[in-house]
Amino acid sequence: AQSVTQPDIHITVSEGASLELRCNYSYGATPYLFWYVQSPGQGLQLLLKYFSGDTLVQGIKGFEAEFKRSQSSFNLRKPSVHWSDAAEYFCAVGARNAGNMLTFGGGTRLMVKP
Amino acid sequence: DVKVTQSSRYLVKRTGEKVFLECVQDMDHENMFWYRQDPGLGLRLIYFSYDVKMKEKGDIPEGYSVSREKKERFSLILESASTNQTSMYLCASRSREAQPQHFGDGTRLSIL
Repeated sequence: AQSVTQPDIHITVSEGASLELRCNYSYGATPYLFWYVQSPGQGLQLLLKYFSGDTLVQGIKGFEAEFKRSQSSFNLRKPSVHWSDAAEYFCAVGARNAGNMLTFGGGTRLMVKP
Repeated sequence: DVKVTQSSRYLVKRTGEKVFLECVQDMDHENMFWYRQDPGLGLRLIYFSYDVKMKEKGDIPEGYSVSREKKERFSLILESASTNQTSMYLCASRSREAQPQHFGDGTRLSIL
């Protein structure tokens, strides 16, 4: 079974600073990988996904993520954070079989200082 | 754009009540899911459905059941609500395997 770890429960960055949110997974092969964002009181919105091909994936709102097979990681990055990026971020892993069920990490709550 | 609608944003019920959470999607998606979300635990899958009248248990099905009589609607049922079922419940749908899931805004359920 797959598992996902987001080591940072909370992160605070200053507006305009760069951001990296960590995600590590455990899976026997190359999984499908996703990042979702959840604003307060809302559902989850897909930021980006990796299925195959180029390991650097571009998403919405200026986010990108890089799949590193050797490190079993899929870290999310943004070069310059905006106050509206304050939210909770979830990494998810989907198996390439067994119905492609998703396993979610525990989430990272991002706070942005003015 | 995919729209997944959950019937209630907030719900307060009493222990022992039978509770229904409703979810409707408007994109003719085959697959639908129910998750619960608790702080620090992320999302955990309760049940999912591949198609009408089909259902499969997820990771934490105990105390829950589901119904999918029509393709667009997936209901989560708490047969006899208990306080440990107080949580945020999220519904999702997707067109088929290997496609992203689209989420509703969630129902925050409190069991008193």
